[in-house]
Amino acid sequence: GEDVEQSLFLSVREGDSSVINCTYTDSSSTYLYWYKQEPGAGLQLLTYIFSNMDMKQDQRLTVLLNKKDKHLSLRIADTQTGDSAIYFCAEPPPGRRALTFGSGTRLQVQP
Amino acid sequence: DGGITQSPKYLFRKEGQNVTLSCEQNLNHDAMYWYRQDPGQGLRLIYYSQIVNDFQKGDIAEGYSVSREKKESFPLTVTSAQKNPTAFYLCASSITSGRTNEQFFGPGTRLTVL
Repeated sequence: GEDVEQSLFLSVREGDSSVINCTYTDSSSTYLYWYKQEPGAGLQLLTYIFSNMDMKQDQRLTVLLNKKDKHLSLRIADTQTGDSAIYFCAEPPPGRRALTFGSGTRLQVQP
Repeated sequence: DGGITQSPKYLFRKEGQNVTLSCEQNLNHDAMYWYRQDPGQGLRLIYYSQIVNDFQKGDIAEGYSVSREKKESFPLTVTSAQKNPTAFYLCASSITSGRTNEQFFGPGTRLTVL
C-alpha cells in the first residue's frame, strides 16, 4: 500500500510558528489535505491544496507543496495553545475515492 | 445542522460477540467510509461505499462487515472474527462528483473488548 510519512511529534512555544512536514507517495495526486484531530474527537479538515499550486495561504495557515520531492508542509503562524492537536496529511490513493493518511504529527504548544 | 453522527461514543464488548457501530449523515453525500485508528497510527480504511446498495473492501476489511441500505446510513459490524478490535472507529462521508476527495468525519466510536 501507499505510505504517507510524517514526523510524530513537534513542540513549540505559544506565539512561535509551527511547521509540520509530510512526504507523500503518488505523484499523480490531484489534491492533498491537512486534517486536525483534537483528543477523543473526529478529524476536521483544515485546508487542501491542488497539485498545480506551490503555495496556499488561509489566515494563519500556509501550505507549501514541493512536487519534485513529493513534500508537503503546513505552517501555522502565531501558534496558540488551542492549536495543540494531531495533524494528519492525506492523499487519495490511485483508483479510489478514499484517502490515505499519514501517521499524524502531535503538536504540543507550550505557554 | 448538517453533519455526521456516530453512536455510541463508547462501546464495550466481550470477546466472541458481534457489535454494530452506527453512522448517519444528513449531508446528502453519496459516499461513506469507515476507518480504524490505533494509538500513534494514522487512519486505515476498512470499507467504503460510493452509492446505496454497493460497497468495497478497504485495506483491513477482514473481521468486519457493512451494509448500505439507505443513503444516510452506513453501519459497521465488528464480528468475532476480528482478532484485535479494540480501537477508535471513524466514519466519514463525501460527495462523489468533482475532483476533490474532501471527507467530513463523525466524532468517532471508541470500542473496547473486555
